[in-house]
Amino acid sequence: KAGVTQTPRYLIKTRGQQVTLSCSPISGHRSVSWYQQTPGQGLQFLFEYFSETQRNKGNFPGRFSGRQFSNSRSEMNVSTLELGDSALYLCASSSQGQGYNSPLHFGNGTRLTVT
Amino acid sequence: AQSVTQLGSHVSVSEGALVLLRCNYSSSVPPYLFWYVQYPNQGLQLLLKYTSAATLVKGINGFEAEFKKSETSFHLTKPSAHMSDAAEYFCAVSGSSNSGYALNFGKGTSLLVTP
Repeated sequence: KAGVTQTPRYLIKTRGQQVTLSCSPISGHRSVSWYQQTPGQGLQFLFEYFSETQRNKGNFPGRFSGRQFSNSRSEMNVSTLELGDSALYLCASSSQGQGYNSPLHFGNGTRLTVT
Repeated sequence: AQSVTQLGSHVSVSEGALVLLRCNYSSSVPPYLFWYVQYPNQGLQLLLKYTSAATLVKGINGFEAEFKKSETSFHLTKPSAHMSDAAEYFCAVSGSSNSGYALNFGKGTSLLVTP
């Protein structure tokens, strides 16, 4: 089975711009979760989608949004980028989703740099 | 809500020595517990998971963890460290709470292996 695929791998944007990151989950997985990882804050949960519905949301401003398509692929969007948005953004898929005993399977992330 | 605390943000061991990474959980119900490893510039990879079938859980790369309910602990061990074990390790707890289903990660422990 192919793993979780995130594109692009690296991204450089300017303050004020917006960005869209893409995630293709493992085939058959209906849950996709997004995380932001920075050296200072560690792993922070953004949101989880299950069968196209947002099931859980972390404590991030409204500039961060996401969606999931009928084929379970997911995108996250960050508008009006700030320098502090520079981070590794990780996507993870699972069969049952968060809160259950099915583990998350992570992609290699998208490294976003905001200048 | 469920949470985990990883004791020690950095652990250093000599090659061949015992690896012990500590994780304590907080949960009002029997939890699902996981250990993940992250190598530089990669996503997280599942090492092992506890789902109440057995208190001693064996994972990949020679790692194992023991669930101790009386101590609310789920420490990760490996008898003999290898240079390739140098990475960031995350403990995580999955379950339900008043705020819904969630998977909560610890802040991570960076393992350094010296020759």
